[in-house]
Amino acid sequence: DVVMTQSPLSLPVTLGQPASISCRSSQSLVYSDGNTYLNWFQQRPGQSPRRLIYKVSNRDSGVPDRFSGSGSGTDFTLKISRVEAEDVGVYYCMQATHWLWTFGQGTKVEIK
Amino acid sequence: QVQLQEAGPGLVKPSETLSLTCTVSGGSMNSYYWSWIRQPPGKGLEYIGYIHNSGSTNYNPSLKSRVTISVDTSKNQFSLKLRSVTAADTAVYYCARDPWGSSFPWGQGTLVTVSS
Repeated sequence: DVVMTQSPLSLPVTLGQPASISCRSSQSLVYSDGNTYLNWFQQRPGQSPRRLIYKVSNRDSGVPDRFSGSGSGTDFTLKISRVEAEDVGVYYCMQATHWLWTFGQGTKVEIK
Repeated sequence: QVQLQEAGPGLVKPSETLSLTCTVSGGSMNSYYWSWIRQPPGKGLEYIGYIHNSGSTNYNPSLKSRVTISVDTSKNQFSLKLRSVTAADTAVYYCARDPWGSSFPWGQGTLVTVSS
């Protein structure tokens, strides 16, 4: 299985300040079609996960532009340019290149 | 806009079979893969398996011996059966479409507790 390793696992942030989460995969996530199927999810307290980013850097519909994704191969990053109160929750990276599709452990974002 | 809704018992006894159904509305099931994902309370997310509308399946190796996913496109539904459950199978179970495209709809999730 592809192991997805996130860091940090806990991220206290100040409102209005940037935040960054790293995700590393145990093998390359480049698929044979040339795409990299790396997703980012947000799970607010008590809610279902919601995808924010697909194929490394594409925002899902309705996702604020303060969220951005980058990376390639095995190293990926989710950035929040200015954290807002509604961004509190757990963030997961997930690879959909190799079956078994797998998630990272999650990064808990909280306000300082 | 495609919507998914899970349905099934919220309580299952140990050693019995967990059965859930996901109803897809607002779109066709054709040409897509349909998945089950679970999340134990306070823990992370785990894929259980997926099925294509053609009926082809792929399962999590750790669950493969106990899992069956099936599809009924005439009812716009797909289903999960997990046999011989234990307390470790207590989780919120989600159904979802395939994760590759510009839209990745999920159900709201249903909590299934395994307890006598």
